[in-house]
Amino acid sequence: NAGVTQTPKFQVLKTGQSMTLQCAQDMNHEYMSWYRQDPGMGLRLIHYSVGAGITDQGEVPNGYNVSRSTTEDFPLRLLSAAPSQTSVYFCASRPQGGDLYNEQFFGPGTRLTVL
Amino acid sequence: TQLLEQSPQFLSIQEGENLTVYCNSSSVFSSLQWYRQEPGEGPVLLVTVVTGGEVKKLKRLTFQFGDARKDSSLHITAAQPGDTGLYLCAGAAGGTSYGKLTFGQGTILTVHP
Repeated sequence: NAGVTQTPKFQVLKTGQSMTLQCAQDMNHEYMSWYRQDPGMGLRLIHYSVGAGITDQGEVPNGYNVSRSTTEDFPLRLLSAAPSQTSVYFCASRPQGGDLYNEQFFGPGTRLTVL
Repeated sequence: TQLLEQSPQFLSIQEGENLTVYCNSSSVFSSLQWYRQEPGEGPVLLVTVVTGGEVKKLKRLTFQFGDARKDSSLHITAAQPGDTGLYLCAGAAGGTSYGKLTFGQGTILTVHP
């Protein structure tokens, strides 16, 4: 199993550009999430999905869109990049049920810089 | 909004010393997890605590969940350079949390040989 994979690993954008961060998992996990990590702020939840076709907003959803057409894939779209979106983005997945114990599996991250 | 306050933010110690990292909240969590993250990688789960007062040990690491399930601590005995990294606590709300975690700010630990 590859686990959770993310592409690209690094990306530089200009303000106003759009792009999609890719995330895929091969563990047949129902739940998938996107977090952003900024210095001194831990990880903050952007959007999450509890299954194909179902998504919901997290703590910091503005400026981002998601969709979940398959169990495996959960792309994150930046509609019009802003410097405030400079961050490291992590995708995570976990199996359904057993909320108290289940581990979240994180991808290696995408480091995004918006100029 | 549930918040987790993690302290200290930075910790620089010598090999062999002991240390404790704290994670505090005014909210009750149904479970609390501790993750370790190395540069360029995603966080990796160390432990999950669920019961108030629970203590779990993982080699030289001891994790404790407060009686009221509002706080937790991570204690490392005889720290080694290999313990260097970012430590994150993360809490899950009651009921079905759908994998939504609230993270603390993180503690950057550096252990010098």
